[in-house]
Amino acid sequence: NAGVTQTPKFQVLKTGQSMTLQCAQDMNHEYMSWYRQDPGMGLRLIHYSVGAGITDQGEVPNGYNVSRSTTEDFPLRLLSAAPSQTSVYFCASSSRTSGNRDTQYFGPGTRLTVL
Amino acid sequence: GNSVTQMEGPVTLSEEAFLTINCTYTATGYPSLFWYVQYPGEGLQLLLKATKADDKGSNKGFEATYRKETTSFHLEKGSVQVSDSAVYFCALSAPEGGSYIPTFGRGTSLIVHP
Repeated sequence: NAGVTQTPKFQVLKTGQSMTLQCAQDMNHEYMSWYRQDPGMGLRLIHYSVGAGITDQGEVPNGYNVSRSTTEDFPLRLLSAAPSQTSVYFCASSSRTSGNRDTQYFGPGTRLTVL
Repeated sequence: GNSVTQMEGPVTLSEEAFLTINCTYTATGYPSLFWYVQYPGEGLQLLLKATKADDKGSNKGFEATYRKETTSFHLEKGSVQVSDSAVYFCALSAPEGGSYIPTFGRGTSLIVHP
């Protein structure tokens, strides 16, 4: 049971480049979400999904796309990277039906720098 | 909407000191309450939780009691260690717009000196 995995761990992009941050979970959780963490700002929700085929915007969705074609995977796409997207990105998953209801399980994070 | 307010840090303590990190919340209904811990360079992990009023969550010497009358969930530890140095996040889960996406506080950094 690997929990929540994220790749890559580190990434450097140039302004205008695109890339996809990968997130996968093996706990059959229906909820998955993406956060960014910046100094002094806490965690800010980017996008979330309540199940395969269903996604919705969070607090800071601009510049990011998501899709949820399977229960396990929830990739985050940066369409045209900007320096303001330099941050640490965390993926999380949870379930409303398991024993640990509503407990968030976080991945180890992706540290992204946009030059 | 739902919200969580926790004390700003950093909180700096000497080893074996008593720790309190305050957390208050606003939510409709009966939220579940959580404390998460983030060690340097890692993701958040659950420290403890409580799902109904007067419940006490505990783990690794940390405790927090769900106080509905004061809408609080303060984190306490009787004797901190250097290894407790981390960022602590208070969070709640409650229905909002049909979803149960959690609401997090901004985090409190704890620094414990030998």
